[in-house]
Amino acid sequence: GDSVTQMEGPVTLSEEAFLTINCTYTATGYPSLFWYVQYPGEGLQLLLKATKADDKGSNKGFEATYRKETTSFHLEKGSVQVSDSAVYFCALLGQGGSEKLVFGKGTKLTVNP
Amino acid sequence: GAVVSQHPSRVICKSGTSVKIECRSLDFQATTMFWYRQFPKQSLMLMATSNEGSKATYEQGVEKDKFLINHASLTLSTLTVTSAHPEDSSFYICSAREMTSGLSSYEQYFGPGTRLTVT
Repeated sequence: GDSVTQMEGPVTLSEEAFLTINCTYTATGYPSLFWYVQYPGEGLQLLLKATKADDKGSNKGFEATYRKETTSFHLEKGSVQVSDSAVYFCALLGQGGSEKLVFGKGTKLTVNP
Repeated sequence: GAVVSQHPSRVICKSGTSVKIECRSLDFQATTMFWYRQFPKQSLMLMATSNEGSKATYEQGVEKDKFLINHASLTLSTLTVTSAHPEDSSFYICSAREMTSGLSSYEQYFGPGTRLTVT
């Protein structure tokens, strides 16, 4: 079945450092890919998404490119802020309108001033 | 953007009692709502999918008699944890899928979650 593997955390960075959180997936066809962010004590918020190969999703300085050849959707940000501290989840939605989101295990990011 | 609310945000109950959690889509109609459970430092586990006016579809291993789901309208779904026990303590999150055409109809909007503690 479909699955998502993302790098295990926790990740601790200093403010203004470069961030990469790796995410790879296994799925048939062409799934849609998502990054969600969860701030402490809150639910999930959609950060960005990409629906087809070579699409780049971007939001709030974060970017991720849908790489079909490497089945990856790595999250990057050039300069992190303390306010980016949260748990980040990579997820996929199967092709054909499958209802179920498949989540990775999440990566906790802590950014220190 | 689409907003999903949950009520209550936190609840503490005694073992053996039942607790109801509400999930509402505030500015859109949701044909489908999803209920997830999240254990500390872990990912979300899908518990069930509910469609308005029909019975919920439960994931394997989830007790449907213990976790009662009712999707009474296009804007409201409820999860009732019956005869709660300490092991049911968790963070419960709902999401809703908007009733529109196109790919955006498959996007899920998440509620803020409900922290259940059973003593």
